[in-house]
Amino acid sequence: QSALTQPRSVSGSPGQSVTISCTGTSSDVGGYNYVSWYQQHPGKAPKLMIYDVSTRPSGVPDRFSGSKSGNTASLTISGLQAEDEADYYCCSYAGSSWVFGGGTKLTVL
Amino acid sequence: QVQLVESGGGVVQPGRSLRLSCAASGFIFSSHGMHWVRQAPGKGLEWVAVIWSDGSNKYYADSVKDRFSISRDNSKNTLYLQLNSLRAEDTAVYYCARRSGYYSDYWGQGTLVTVSS
Repeated sequence: QSALTQPRSVSGSPGQSVTISCTGTSSDVGGYNYVSWYQQHPGKAPKLMIYDVSTRPSGVPDRFSGSKSGNTASLTISGLQAEDEADYYCCSYAGSSWVFGGGTKLTVL
Repeated sequence: QVQLVESGGGVVQPGRSLRLSCAASGFIFSSHGMHWVRQAPGKGLEWVAVIWSDGSNKYYADSVKDRFSISRDNSKNTLYLQLNSLRAEDTAVYYCARRSGYYSDYWGQGTLVTVSS
């Protein structure tokens, strides 16, 4: 149950695109198409942004997209907006357990 | 609307116990599995435990196995987490989250547990 690996921080200017990676193993990310992504603003509860690798819940802007290749999943945010500044966490099913990434702080310059 | 409200947090001495509760409303509680997820101050999210909708299966993170116990009372629409043999490293905000498929679609606001002498 080792944490998935995410970059500690990423940044981008308004209107640009950023991609956050999430690297695991064949026992979690690579073994299942059950990666989800959560956005967390300071002092707030996490919010679901992507599930099952690339599915957006209703109400989440289509600027948010997810993908996966092998043991690495990715979250791409296009057309960055100021309100996107937050922490982002990936999470993967790992067979009777779940594992989160360490989190990535997104700064909108 | 879906609401999850955690309670039961507080300051507790190392080695002692605490029970957290999560009151659910706005959905059919007995139809959903539930998770507990925690977040240490300034740190990332850590999955703690999951319980099936009918309570038939329960799974735990290695870090809490044999010390924490997840349970639920579907007649009261309430999820529980019993925390025993608490350690300083268990200090965290504890969130309950509704399971849908293999993700969590609704989260509570969390309850803070501080383990300190």
